[in-house]
Amino acid sequence: GAGVSQTPSNKVTEKGKYVELRCDPISGHTALYWYRQSLGQGPEFLIYFQGTGAADDSGLPNDRFFAVRPEGSVSTLKIQRTERGDSAVYLCASSSQRVWSNQPQHFGDGTRLSIL
Amino acid sequence: AQSVTQLDSQVPVFEEAPVELRCNYSSSVSVYLFWYVQYPNQGLQLLLKYLSGSTLVKGINGFEAEFNKSQTSFHLRKPSVHISDTAEYFCAVSERGYQKVTFGTGTKLQVIP
Repeated sequence: GAGVSQTPSNKVTEKGKYVELRCDPISGHTALYWYRQSLGQGPEFLIYFQGTGAADDSGLPNDRFFAVRPEGSVSTLKIQRTERGDSAVYLCASSSQRVWSNQPQHFGDGTRLSIL
Repeated sequence: AQSVTQLDSQVPVFEEAPVELRCNYSSSVSVYLFWYVQYPNQGLQLLLKYLSGSTLVKGINGFEAEFNKSQTSFHLRKPSVHISDTAEYFCAVSERGYQKVTFGTGTKLQVIP
């Protein structure tokens, strides 16, 4: 497809489990962003990749959260020892350039994560 | 640190009436400003952005916003709304030199037929 693809669209798991969320950016986009959107809130920045490297991971809430982008395309957000407070919609966005360019961030539809 | 305040959580407006969605930001440095729209069960879509230059920015779907540095505001306006504009609107800010984008809590626009 032409847009940002996120899988799965929904994930339900038990507290303490490990989860992986996948993001397929638009082909050729070098910048990739992860956000978390809790109910009734705006998206919260987690991490930004430029190519393969995490250029800014200041938004990751703690060391249970980790993200990779080994080949500069697909990215995986990994959450260890999940907690009920991790329940949210996780959004991925990609862009062909930096956020202050004329190229916008294109968002996926998100993965709705529910921790029981 | 940067922050964004959207004072109105919900704004009801009749079809074909004008609307203004308010956004104020706080930052100690120069910023870039954005408005995004989120339709139910869909991802975010960029409406418009202010990077530099003219303080009046025109976006898609007939929306526009005006950057007011002295009032640290970036209010979104549309002269005549349609039913299809019913959605949630997010204001966002990014400090120049950084990739982190901070979003407001959103304003739900409800267009009444």
